[in-house]
Amino acid sequence: GAGVSQSPRYKVAKRGQDVALRCDPISGHVSLFWYQQALGQGPEFLTYFQNEAQLDKSGLPSDRFFAERPEGSVSTLKIQRTQQEDSAVYLCASSLGMTSAPLIYEQYFGPGTRLTVT
Amino acid sequence: GQQLNQSPQSMFIQEGEDVSMNCTSSSIFNTWLWYKQDPGEGPVLLIALYKAGELTSNGRLTAQFGITRKDSFLNISASIPSDVGIYFCAGQDSGNTPLVFGKGTRLSVIA
Repeated sequence: GAGVSQSPRYKVAKRGQDVALRCDPISGHVSLFWYQQALGQGPEFLTYFQNEAQLDKSGLPSDRFFAERPEGSVSTLKIQRTQQEDSAVYLCASSLGMTSAPLIYEQYFGPGTRLTVT
Repeated sequence: GQQLNQSPQSMFIQEGEDVSMNCTSSSIFNTWLWYKQDPGEGPVLLIALYKAGELTSNGRLTAQFGITRKDSFLNISASIPSDVGIYFCAGQDSGNTPLVFGKGTRLSVIA
């Protein structure tokens, strides 16, 4: 079946602009995670959802970052008034996350959105 | 944010050689995972480990979950050119929780 998809794949924004990044998880996956990956670094957690509920947003770097998943499927990560330090790859991952069996917690990643703020 | 200590940072090896990389943490994790990331793509899951001491293989890849729950290693046997990429370890506390990643090991294979 289809994997996690993200759009756009590349986004160039001028400093101060708002951007919206979209994630389509694997069909039937309950949990959805957002990560930020700076150049030369590993991904770092931003926020995650179980269905439409946002369970943890402790990784969001500032109140300019906002994520939603209103119907428990597609998610949008919004960044307001972008700054140069927001330039990074934004990765989305999903997992089944429904029972206690460990296999269903494995996270599968999309290709990411590379955001460049000029 | 928290990141795991992954080493080496980069490796240059001859095709056919074996590769070993490891990951350590100051805190315990209940699950360890290894991912591979190619340029312009997201990480792809290679191996997941769920029990301390567990040794798991996936083709030419073998990974182990350390007894202390604070470390893991990944071995690749008989490397081939398509093994080139960045390998990340990741730890997970329990259940459906966020992953904590290392900084990655960049593998280059010389034919």
